[in-house]
Amino acid sequence: EPEVTQTPSHQVTQMGQEVILRCVPISNHLYFYWYRQILGQKVEFLVSFYNNEISEKSEIFDDQFSVERPDGSNFTLKIRSTKLEDSAMYFCASSAGTASYNEQFFGPGTRLTVL
Amino acid sequence: KNEVEQSPQNLTAQEGEFITINCSYSVGISALHWLQQHPGGGIVSLFMLSSGKKKHGRLIATINIQEKHSSLHITASHPRDSAVYICAVTTGNQFYFGTGTSLTVIP
Repeated sequence: EPEVTQTPSHQVTQMGQEVILRCVPISNHLYFYWYRQILGQKVEFLVSFYNNEISEKSEIFDDQFSVERPDGSNFTLKIRSTKLEDSAMYFCASSAGTASYNEQFFGPGTRLTVL
Repeated sequence: KNEVEQSPQNLTAQEGEFITINCSYSVGISALHWLQQHPGGGIVSLFMLSSGKKKHGRLIATINIQEKHSSLHITASHPRDSAVYICAVTTGNQFYFGTGTSLTVIP
């Protein structure tokens, strides 16, 4: 069964460093998403991406964040200058069509620890 | 401000019990999703609803658009159902999540 994969599973970085989290969505899916979950808190939407551009983004997704689909398979989230409060689990998801009509498939997550 | 409220926050049940988890939301939505988060952190989509009722195995999800309310029911609960159940709504391609209901089913 096709699945969404994410790498790395755990990333440790120093405050102020740039990190890139990688996701490989399901191959025929067209919509891609990033979410984060701070330890002990609820899941939060960051951004949705379709047709090589951002569809929607939340208030959390400020200028420190960017997303890219550099080739036909990868979908990346970049945090330019990490802060302590960026420590969280980051989930990637994909769907065949818009989330209003299609279920999402989630990756296993990347745990980001900022020291 | 919480666009999505879930109840209860925590739920303990005996194996075999019928379980109901409730979700209320305050925004206009295009769809509501029920998700299951396993103890290891992984998230699985259970249902996507925009109206009516859906059933998958022992799980049933209903939504009342007029009342802005959805319920997730688990029949004949089993210890493997122990997880956090999350309600999320979408207004298009933006999502709002509930804080989740932590379910423990005791053998």
